[in-house]
Amino acid sequence: AQSVTQLGSHVSVSEGALVLLRCNYSSSVPPYLFWYVQYPNQGLQLLLKYTTGATLVKGINGFEAEFKKSETSFHLTKPSAHMSDAAEYFCAVSENTGGFKTIFGAGTRLFVKA
Amino acid sequence: NAGVTQTPKFRILKIGQSMTLQCTQDMNHNYMYWYRQDPGMGLKLIYYSVGAGITDKGEVPNGYNVSRSTTEDFPLRLELAAPSQTSVYFCASRGPNEKLFFGSGTQLSVL
Repeated sequence: AQSVTQLGSHVSVSEGALVLLRCNYSSSVPPYLFWYVQYPNQGLQLLLKYTTGATLVKGINGFEAEFKKSETSFHLTKPSAHMSDAAEYFCAVSENTGGFKTIFGAGTRLFVKA
Repeated sequence: NAGVTQTPKFRILKIGQSMTLQCTQDMNHNYMYWYRQDPGMGLKLIYYSVGAGITDKGEVPNGYNVSRSTTEDFPLRLELAAPSQTSVYFCASRGPNEKLFFGSGTQLSVL
């Protein structure tokens, strides 16, 4: 069964600093990988996804992530944090079998300091 | 398009009461999901459906039931509400590009 581990429940960065949110996954078949963002009192929005092809994927708002099969990782980065990036971020894995169930990590709350 | 619509947005239940959380989508998606979100736990999959008439259990199905009589609707039923079911519930549907579309959530308190 697939699973997701997000390292760090809280991450704090200064405005303009690098954002790095870590995600490791487990999957018995080639996975689909996602990052979603949740702003307060809202549902989740897709930031980016990896299905096949290029392992470096770019998403909205300047975020990108790299699929590293050998490390079973899919870390999320952004070169320069903005105050508006403060939110909760969820890594997720889905398998192309059995209902395409998407399993989420516990989330990482990103704080951005002025 | 309205996307995924959930009702109600808020609800307070007494222990032992029952209720149905409504979810409807207008995108003709076959795959639909119910999640619950608890602080520090991320989203846990309760039930999912791959099409009308077909449902299956997710990670945390106990205490819940679902039905899928149409492509559009996927209601979640709580039969005997318990305090452990206090949570925020999200319904989602899966688009053709593997993206999940989420509703705005239902905040449920069981007292």
